[in-house]
Amino acid sequence: GAGVSQSPRYKVAKRGQDVALRCDPISGHVSLFWYQQALGQGPEFLTYFQNEAQLDKSGLPSDRFFAERPEGSVSTLKIQRTQQEDSAVYLCASSLQQGQETQYFGPGTRLLVL
Amino acid sequence: GQNIDQPTEMTATEGAIVQINCTYQTSGFNGLFWYQQHAGEAPTFLSYNVLDGLEEKGRFSSFLSRSKGYSYLLLKELQMKDSASYLCAVIDSNYQLIWGAGTKLIIKP
Repeated sequence: GAGVSQSPRYKVAKRGQDVALRCDPISGHVSLFWYQQALGQGPEFLTYFQNEAQLDKSGLPSDRFFAERPEGSVSTLKIQRTQQEDSAVYLCASSLQQGQETQYFGPGTRLLVL
Repeated sequence: GQNIDQPTEMTATEGAIVQINCTYQTSGFNGLFWYQQHAGEAPTFLSYNVLDGLEEKGRFSSFLSRSKGYSYLLLKELQMKDSASYLCAVIDSNYQLIWGAGTKLIIKP
């Protein structure tokens, strides 16, 4: 596709429910990033993939958060047993290579946990 | 620790010029980005600086001083559509992007 796409755009979950957020990066982009953005704040790094390899997951807030990119393209961020503090916008970005390459962002998934 | 500071909010008048400052303390430096983010939308790329000096791109310019840990984004001939948040982000020594909280720019007619 022309840009990064994410689905769903909006997700309302009951506390304790599991959710899965999908990211389709720009075709051919090697690097893929997940960020969490709270209202009025900048994005906070969650995890980073280079192709199918998850090279950095230091930003994942707990073991309830899990991300995968099994074939090096589409990625899924899974949150198990959601809590109210998980409510945020989850942004996915991709870049052609690692390092200094510009990151291109998807529209985000707005998650609300009730 | 790593820190990026930007003003929380700024107000400017349509047609005027505004400068948004960003100071950073990071473990290493491999470049600085400015992104624009409209409410409810994803950040979009504006500029990238890795060497000292001014980069001009139409109505927007970005300046970097690595010795001072300082950058600014200059917006000229402001338009109402420029109302958005402007995010400063630095690539650290691990090639991780460290983000500021963003500056909300309000344009008044």
